[in-house]
Amino acid sequence: ELKVEQNPLFLSMQEGKNYTIYCNYSTTSDRLYWYRQDPGKSLESLFVLLSNGAVKQEGRLMASLDTKARLSTLHITAAVHDLSATYFCAVAGNQFYFGTGTSLTVIP
Amino acid sequence: GAVVSQHPSWVICKSGTSVKIECRSLDFQATTMFWYRQFPKQSLMLMATSNEGSKATYEQGVEKDKFLINHASLTLSTLTVTSAHPEDSSFYICSAPRLVVNEQFFGPGTRLTVL
Repeated sequence: ELKVEQNPLFLSMQEGKNYTIYCNYSTTSDRLYWYRQDPGKSLESLFVLLSNGAVKQEGRLMASLDTKARLSTLHITAAVHDLSATYFCAVAGNQFYFGTGTSLTVIP
Repeated sequence: GAVVSQHPSWVICKSGTSVKIECRSLDFQATTMFWYRQFPKQSLMLMATSNEGSKATYEQGVEKDKFLINHASLTLSTLTVTSAHPEDSSFYICSAPRLVVNEQFFGPGTRLTVL
């Protein structure tokens, strides 16, 4: 069974700072997804990464995928309070395997 | 983007009753839909895969007789929680894949509280 681990689980950071969330997975896959979840809400798609070396950016978030290392990163640049949420990565195998989630709190 | 809806958004019921949750793909057909359960501050756990025209596939540890799934059409899947108990209280989320865009689209979720 494919296992997906995220690090860190909880993150508190000040506005304006940078940080990276890591997503490691255990077996080969070339499809990785990042989602955002606000409290009480469902998942909002952020990025779809479909090949080794893929890099996508949207606003203050940038995601990358290294299929050889089985690693994806979600980099936050100059964090703002509105980014506070839980972020999940998910790897596509014969189903979607979700990471443990990273709960991000951005402090003004 | 593609839209998946769920109904109801939240439901509170008494222990022992049954609750039906609907999942609809609004602007595309989905031969497969997925049902997830999410407990507070935890990740999503796949419960079952709903297949149009055939039986659902349940994940290990999920009781098929308790969580009845019916994929009635190419745009509708239903999850019925039978004889609900307080431990069934959770956030239930469905999703539908669109393979042509390599994405899954998630419904807004249904919060079930069993008293």
